[in-house]
Amino acid sequence: DTGVSQDPRHKITKRGQNVTFRCDPISEHNRLYWYRQTLGQGPEFLTYFQNEAQLEKSRLLSDRFSAERPKGSFSTLEIQRTEQGDSAMYLCASTPGPNEKLFFGSGTQLSVL
Amino acid sequence: AQTVTQSQPEMSVQEAETVTLSCTYDTSENNYYLFWYKQPPSRQMILVIRQEAYKQQNATENRFSVNFQKAAKSFSLKISDSQLGDTAMYFCAFIPGTASKLTFGTGTRLQVTL
Repeated sequence: DTGVSQDPRHKITKRGQNVTFRCDPISEHNRLYWYRQTLGQGPEFLTYFQNEAQLEKSRLLSDRFSAERPKGSFSTLEIQRTEQGDSAMYLCASTPGPNEKLFFGSGTQLSVL
Repeated sequence: AQTVTQSQPEMSVQEAETVTLSCTYDTSENNYYLFWYKQPPSRQMILVIRQEAYKQQNATENRFSVNFQKAAKSFSLKISDSQLGDTAMYFCAFIPGTASKLTFGTGTRLQVTL
């Protein structure tokens, strides 16, 4: 069990640029979640996958955000035309099934200048 | 919509003492799961304890235990013999049995002092 891995750990970008984050879940976990956390707040749900299918997206996920999990393994989260309000920690988590413990990665801290 | 409320933004406890963190939630579901997660300064979210709503017995994990009051929709976390390493943000989280995603509270910042 190597845990959930996220890359990069930190990303600084200029407003208007596109960014992409990667998440590698625990290998036997078929559910993968993306959450966003701003300072002093709890994580907010963005989207989740069951294998390669994206089953739910939050209203928070504007059309500038897109997530994929092409082969049911790793996932990517892309943000197009970044805005300063996108600055946050982006957390990925995986779990073997519903209502089970979520295993979180260390997150990607995004700063939009 | 389900909501999770943590009414204590910050708490402080002396080493070796006991502290209780509060959490309430709102749901119309009868079957659900509750969690406490810890987020130390490293920001890695770590599960502390999990409770299944249909189980009347309160969950315990070493120094951590919960007081689950289903009728009152309350789920407090008790930390006994507090240690400096317990210093962290603590998040209460909730998922109904029919839902797909965990909903988190706003967190309680716990500081353990000497």
